[in-house]
Amino acid sequence: AQSVTQPDIHITVSEGASLELRCNYSYGATPYLFWYVQSPGQGLQLLLKYFSGDTLVQGIKGFEAEFKRSQSSFNLRKPSVHWSDAAEYFCAVGAGNTGGFKTIFGAGTRLFVKA
Amino acid sequence: DGGITQSPKYLFRKEGQNVTLSCEQNLNHDAMYWYRQDPGQGLRLIYYSQIVNDFQKGDIAEGYSVSREKKESFPLTVTSAQKNPTAFYLCASSREARLNYGYTFGSGTRLTVV
Repeated sequence: AQSVTQPDIHITVSEGASLELRCNYSYGATPYLFWYVQSPGQGLQLLLKYFSGDTLVQGIKGFEAEFKRSQSSFNLRKPSVHWSDAAEYFCAVGAGNTGGFKTIFGAGTRLFVKA
Repeated sequence: DGGITQSPKYLFRKEGQNVTLSCEQNLNHDAMYWYRQDPGQGLRLIYYSQIVNDFQKGDIAEGYSVSREKKESFPLTVTSAQKNPTAFYLCASSREARLNYGYTFGSGTRLTVV
């Protein structure tokens, strides 16, 4: 079955510290992978995406993610967290050429940032 | 600036009422989607449309209906048949129907049954 697992429901990080949010997926075909961020009461914003090529992808707001096929993982990282990064983060996986409607979202990880 | 506009931001429904959530995009995107978000459950697909005058059921379509009469608009009606409609509803669009480049989301509508 196709699925996305975000093992951490919530994470607390000190401002200025590094961040890694975990994402594991199960997908039969070649996956297209995404990370989205959602501020409270708002819609989701696309942070970055991986289709093919270099397994380390750069996104907006200083985020990056690394695709590891052998581990079926697509973890999101940031070297230094800012208070404004506090939000909920969603990992998603989908097919590349059969339309976005097959995109599957994880349950999300809420990030808290402490001063 | 291009984007997706959802209205209203907050909506209250009485038992037995139908309500319609608006979604308008000016991105010239082909595909549009409706998702429901409940705490701790991520996003679940209600309906999607890849082209005008065509739409398909998603994973949780029961109690919902949609139309796609214009490329820019994809309204969602929550009918009285939906037994647990209280949730946050998100509309999204993508540039092409067949290629998955990722979504642009609206800012959502929070529906509450009173």
